Amino acid sequence: KQEVTQIPAALSVPEGENLVLNCSFTDSAIYNLQWFRQDPGKGLTSLLLIQSSQREQTSGRLNASLDKSSGRSTLYIAASQPGDSATYLCAPAPRSGAGSYQLTFGKGTKLSVIP
Amino acid sequence: DGGITQSPKYLFRKEGQNVTLSCEQNLNHDAMYWYRQDPGQGLRLIYYSQIVNDFQKGDIAEGYSVSREKKESFPLTVTSAQKNPTAFYLCASTTWTGTSYGYTFGSGTRLTVV
Repeated sequence: KQEVTQIPAALSVPEGENLVLNCSFTDSAIYNLQWFRQDPGKGLTSLLLIQSSQREQTSGRLNASLDKSSGRSTLYIAASQPGDSATYLCAPAPRSGAGSYQLTFGKGTKLSVIP
Repeated sequence: DGGITQSPKYLFRKEGQNVTLSCEQNLNHDAMYWYRQDPGQGLRLIYYSQIVNDFQKGDIAEGYSVSREKKESFPLTVTSAQKNPTAFYLCASTTWTGTSYGYTFGSGTRLTVV
């Protein structure tokens, strides 16, 4: 069964700093991996999706990398802003036969960016 | 705008009572899911459905029931058999985009036992 670990559990940084969030998973037979953002009391917003054949994906100040063989992914946030404060979740998706796939989530990293 | 609507946002349940959480999507997605989130825990899958009139148990289905009578709707009933129902419930949907799966979440329902 897939297990996902996110380190650190919480992180507090001053505004403007670059930072890295880490995600590790035990089963490397994944189809893709997604990074999500969750604001307090809200649903999840998809940030980046990396296919298993890709090494990285970028969107604005966010860059996610994937090393499937070692079971690791990182989310890099450049020039952090107070609006980046949220919980970040990673979720690898298994190879699925047909029609749907069930994500396995880590517990998340709670990020606080201090003005 | 296309999306997933969950209602109500907050729900209170008395001991021994069944309650139903609503999830509606207008994305024309085939698959729908229910996840439960507890403080300090990752999301855990309750039930999922790939097509109308078909659904499968997830990791923590005991004490829950679902139906999928329409493609757009996937309601979750929390029964009295669920001993610890206080949690944040998230509904999601996916569809094949031609190159990958797109995953969309609703804004959640917070259920509290009183």
